Amino acid sequence: GAVVSQHPSRVICKSGTSVKIECRSLDFQATTMFWYRQFPKQSLMLMATSNEGSKATYEQGVEKDKFLINHASLTLSTLTVTSAHPEDSSFYICSASKEGTGTEAFFGQGTRLTVV
Amino acid sequence: KQEVTQIPAALSVPEGENLVLNCSFTDSAIYNLQWFRQDPGKGLTSLLLIQSSQREQTSGRLNASLDKSSGRSTLYIAASQPGDSATYLCAVRVFGNEKLTFGTGTRLTIIP
Repeated sequence: GAVVSQHPSRVICKSGTSVKIECRSLDFQATTMFWYRQFPKQSLMLMATSNEGSKATYEQGVEKDKFLINHASLTLSTLTVTSAHPEDSSFYICSASKEGTGTEAFFGQGTRLTVV
Repeated sequence: KQEVTQIPAALSVPEGENLVLNCSFTDSAIYNLQWFRQDPGKGLTSLLLIQSSQREQTSGRLNASLDKSSGRSTLYIAASQPGDSATYLCAVRVFGNEKLTFGTGTRLTIIP
């Protein structure tokens, strides 16, 4: 299957600082990537759709100024959590679909964010 | 609005047994359905992808079926092993939308 790489896998930051998470499609190009958030023992909640070369589309209830998404190339999308607070602590996962595979979705390894 | 449910939420079975995980969805107009595995603290690993025109897909000891009309999919795991212990998630994609709607997941424990 295709490979999606997410970095970092774990990050601890202080309240008020910003954290950037990278999502890369290593062996294919992705015009669209997705960012999810997962709370403990819960399923994935879609936060936003990242579109290469245009603005991201955010799901209802997700603050776009809080969670900045940049999809600058066909292989890289970034999620920046701005002015992080402890309630932003969570597991963040990205995904991308490889064309020609029937739109099978491939996921990154996830990023565990802890805000202290 | 598409809703996806997985029952049971948790399942424990002895090693070697065959088992079935269930996934149901409310809107039958799906493009495809995908089964994933998630280990604790890790990302998702794609197991099987079933297109809307297909009835089942097989990979090794895994077999996934799809019944669109009834809004159901099952994941059959044969001869279970302790390494199969994980959370299993199903997700559906509808036509004209690349978004995935995830089920609530089934946490599977295989007892050695």
